[in-house]
Amino acid sequence: KQEVTQIPAALSVPEGENLVLNCSFTDSAIYNLQWFRQDPGKGLTSLLLIQSSQREQTSGRLNASLDKSSGRSTLYIAASQPGDSATYLCAVIPRDYGQNFVFGPGTRLSVLP
Amino acid sequence: SAVISQKPSRDICQRGTSLTIQCQVDSQVTMMFWYRQQPGQSLTLIATANQGSEATYESGFVIDKFPISRPNLTFSTLTVSNMSPEDSSIYLCSVVAGNEKLFFGSGTQLSVL
Repeated sequence: KQEVTQIPAALSVPEGENLVLNCSFTDSAIYNLQWFRQDPGKGLTSLLLIQSSQREQTSGRLNASLDKSSGRSTLYIAASQPGDSATYLCAVIPRDYGQNFVFGPGTRLSVLP
Repeated sequence: SAVISQKPSRDICQRGTSLTIQCQVDSQVTMMFWYRQQPGQSLTLIATANQGSEATYESGFVIDKFPISRPNLTFSTLTVSNMSPEDSSIYLCSVVAGNEKLFFGSGTQLSVL
C-alpha cells in the first residue's frame, strides 16, 4: 500500500531564505507526482507536476525534483517571501489508474518578514 | 487545464441538517472526486463520481450520509446529511485533466454546531 510522508511537518524561515521541502513515498510504481499549495481553509492549487519519466520541473522560484528509485521528491523554493506562507502537499498518482491518489500530510511553511 | 467553481465557500450549520456542495467544471471530465480534509489532517477520498452511474464510495463512507449526484460531465454535487460536529471539515472536489494532472475547487469549509 502506497504511503506518503513529508518532512518537516512545519517550517519557519526568515524572508529571502532558500528552502527545501521533502516528500517520500514507499512504492516507486508511480505515474506522476504533483506538488500543491493550500492556504488556510481553501482548496489546493497545483504548483508542479512531475511525470515519472522526468527528473525535475521548474516554475519561477520553484523547482521540484523526483528520484523514483529512492522514493523521494523535493520542492525547492528560492528567495522565499511572506506570500509563500501556506501548507505544501505532495500527491502521488499511481501507475495503476484504478488506485487512488495518495496525499502526504503536508508541510506548513511560515516565511517571516 | 481545468477550472472548478465550488460553492458555498463556507457554511455554519446546525446539527441534524444537511448541506449540498456544488462543483462546476469548465470542461467535460469523466470522473470527479470528492475529498474531505479534517482539521490538521491531509485529504481523504470520499467517493469518485462518474456521469451516468452511481458513485463509488471509499471504505468508511456511505451513500446515505454522503449522497452524490453527477447529472452531466461538468457538474456534481455532494450532500453531507444529518450533520454532526464530527463532519466539520473542508470538503473539496477535484478532477483529472491533461496529462493526469489533478485540479481542485476552492473548497467548502463546513462548521457544524
